Amino acid sequence: EIQMTQSPSSLSASVGDRVTITCRASENIAKYLNWYQLKPGRAPRLLIYAASSLQGGVPSRFSGSGSGTDFTLIISGLQPEDCATYYCQETYSVPYNFGQGTTLEIK
Amino acid sequence: EVQVVESGGGLVQPGGSLRLSCEASGFTFSEYEMHWARQAPGKGLEWISYIDVSGDTTYYPESMGGRFTSSRDNAKNSLFLQMSSLRVEDTAVYYCARANYYEDKYWYLDLWGRGTRVTVSS
Repeated sequence: EIQMTQSPSSLSASVGDRVTITCRASENIAKYLNWYQLKPGRAPRLLIYAASSLQGGVPSRFSGSGSGTDFTLIISGLQPEDCATYYCQETYSVPYNFGQGTTLEIK
Repeated sequence: EVQVVESGGGLVQPGGSLRLSCEASGFTFSEYEMHWARQAPGKGLEWISYIDVSGDTTYYPESMGGRFTSSRDNAKNSLFLQMSSLRVEDTAVYYCARANYYEDKYWYLDLWGRGTRVTVSS
């Protein structure tokens, strides 16, 4: 079973900041990694698929990178509406684990 | 509108059963693989089920212990999750999600519902 370790678990940043969230897989998953955004009471939203491909309709301030075991989600120019919890998910093998999440607060 | 809407959640006693539904609209449901995931209170997302387009192939985490069964009715654009021997720790919001593919190998969940809440309590 592949374990996904996200960091940090929470962070606080200001509007306009550049925010970096990392996700580490316990073994090589190539680019089988997606990023999602969760807000309370809303449907989860896909941000990035295959490690670095931006989902349609997602603002270009979101970007993803990495392959193998180390991955990064970057938000360049933080906006108030980015206040949410972010999850990575490996899609390489069952049980397709999610990371534990990163809660982003806007200062 | 392209959407999936979950229903069937509620309060159930430990050891009980519950059947969740997910109704799809705005897209050709029979062409998409589907997944279920959940989020327990104060916890992160947890993947719990996969089903292929025909319903013949399903996957679950071993941690579910065979208590959950996913099925689908393509004629009714519906996905189901039958849950049995429910435990307090199964209390969560349950989401259904559509899977899509990139380069025929990388898959992702591009359409999610708002979820249905399941509470297991005596």
